[in-house]
Amino acid sequence: QSALTQPPSASGSPGQSVTISCTGTSSDVGGYKYVSWYQQHPGKAPKLMIYEVTKRPSGVPDRFSGSKSGNTASLTVSGLQAEDEADYYCSSYAGSNNVLFGGGTKLTVL
Amino acid sequence: QVQLQESGPGLVKPSETLSLTCAVSGYSISSGYHWGWIRQAPGKGLEWIGNIYRSGITYYNPSLKSRVTILADTSKNQFTLKLSSVTAADTAVYYCGRVDWTFDYWGQGTLVIVSS
Repeated sequence: QSALTQPPSASGSPGQSVTISCTGTSSDVGGYKYVSWYQQHPGKAPKLMIYEVTKRPSGVPDRFSGSKSGNTASLTVSGLQAEDEADYYCSSYAGSNNVLFGGGTKLTVL
Repeated sequence: QVQLQESGPGLVKPSETLSLTCAVSGYSISSGYHWGWIRQAPGKGLEWIGNIYRSGITYYNPSLKSRVTILADTSKNQFTLKLSSVTAADTAVYYCGRVDWTFDYWGQGTLVIVSS
C-alpha cells in the first residue's frame, strides 16, 4: 500500500483561499468516509482539523472545510491567516484495518 | 479532557527493542475507542504503526507487522509499543493517540534515536 499523494507545497496571501488535495484509490480515499486532515506546526504534535471527510471538531474554525470527489479528498482553508502556516497531512482508512497518511503539504502564507 | 503522555528511553541501540508507554488520563481505555501509535522520522511525514482495541485486538501496519507489538494495561490506563530489531531507520518522534480511524487526541510525542 502506497502513501496518499499530496502536493509538497501550497501558498496563498492573507484573506485568500487555498485548497490542498489528497489523492488515493478506490481502496482507501474513494472507498470510505474516514478521511481526516491534520495540521502540524513545527515541533508540535499534529492537530485534527477535519474528520469523516467534512466534519470539524469543536474549536476548529469554520474557515477549514473538507470535501471528497472520487478518489481525491480536499482541504480548503478560506480567509487565510498567518497562523494557518503549517504542514497539513491527510489520512484515510484503507480497509483491512489499515490507515494511510499522505506525504504532507507545507502551506505558506505569503 | 483526554490527555496522553508518551514515555520511554530516548536512545536505543541497533538490533534492540524499542519500548514506549502511553499514559492516558481523562478517559478509560477500557471504555471504548482504539488507541494507537504513529511515528514521524526527522523531516518526514507521518506513518501509522498500529492500534489496539479495548478487547486487546490489535491492528498493525503491514510494513512493520513482523516487528511490532502493542499491549494494553487497563489497570494502569496505559498502552505500550514494542518495536523489535530496530535500525537507524526507526529513529523518529513517536506519538500515541486515541483513534476511531481518526486520531482525535494526541500525545506531545517523544523522540527516539537509534544509535550505538
